[in-house]
Amino acid sequence: LAKTTQPISMDSYEGQEVNITCSHNNIATNDYITWYQQFPSQGPRFIIQGYKTKVTNEVASLFIPADRKSSTLSLPRVSLSDTAVYYCLVGPWMDSSYKLIFGSGTRLLVRP
Amino acid sequence: GAVVSQHPSWVICKSGTSVKIECRSLDFQATTMFWYRQFPKQSLMLMATSNEGSKATYEQGVEKDKFLINHASLTLSTLTVTSAHPEDSSFYICSARDGARLNRLSNTEAFFGQGTRLTVV
Repeated sequence: LAKTTQPISMDSYEGQEVNITCSHNNIATNDYITWYQQFPSQGPRFIIQGYKTKVTNEVASLFIPADRKSSTLSLPRVSLSDTAVYYCLVGPWMDSSYKLIFGSGTRLLVRP
Repeated sequence: GAVVSQHPSWVICKSGTSVKIECRSLDFQATTMFWYRQFPKQSLMLMATSNEGSKATYEQGVEKDKFLINHASLTLSTLTVTSAHPEDSSFYICSARDGARLNRLSNTEAFFGQGTRLTVV
């Protein structure tokens, strides 16, 4: 499985756009890039997933360059409730035997 | 949307006793479920893969005799922490994916339960 590297922590203020970058240099052809959000004492929650280029949903955008060796999760106009840990996962998502392995994640703190 | 439910949300037990945690997929069938453990301020650590109708597959370093996994139906997997000790106190989380959608090559997210906080005293 592709190894991922993310910043350990990030600080932001309410209303700002937050971009969290994940490096995955050895991403494989069949690998997808998936981001999860986790609040304290809760299970992770799916945010967004992509394979290449840009994906946008009601919560976030995911930017993936052509070489796919990195990806950036963009959270527009964050609020206090976006304070959480964000995990970048890279793996063969369509493979039913794929085991989701979590890295250290990025702890985002949104300040008033 | 698809939901994975865990029960109980929290449990306190005495050292030496066993605790069972249930994980249910509420509106889809899951031939495979995953069990994770998470210590404070740390990431999720995969413990084992629960396979319906067959033995679970444990990750390296996880004691299979201590963490008993049973996946007796397509919607239920259980994790039993046997002879629990204070060092087993942790947050346990299960996950499942919709196998039918995967078989149709239709992408599907992995759903996680709300987690179970185990405290062994």
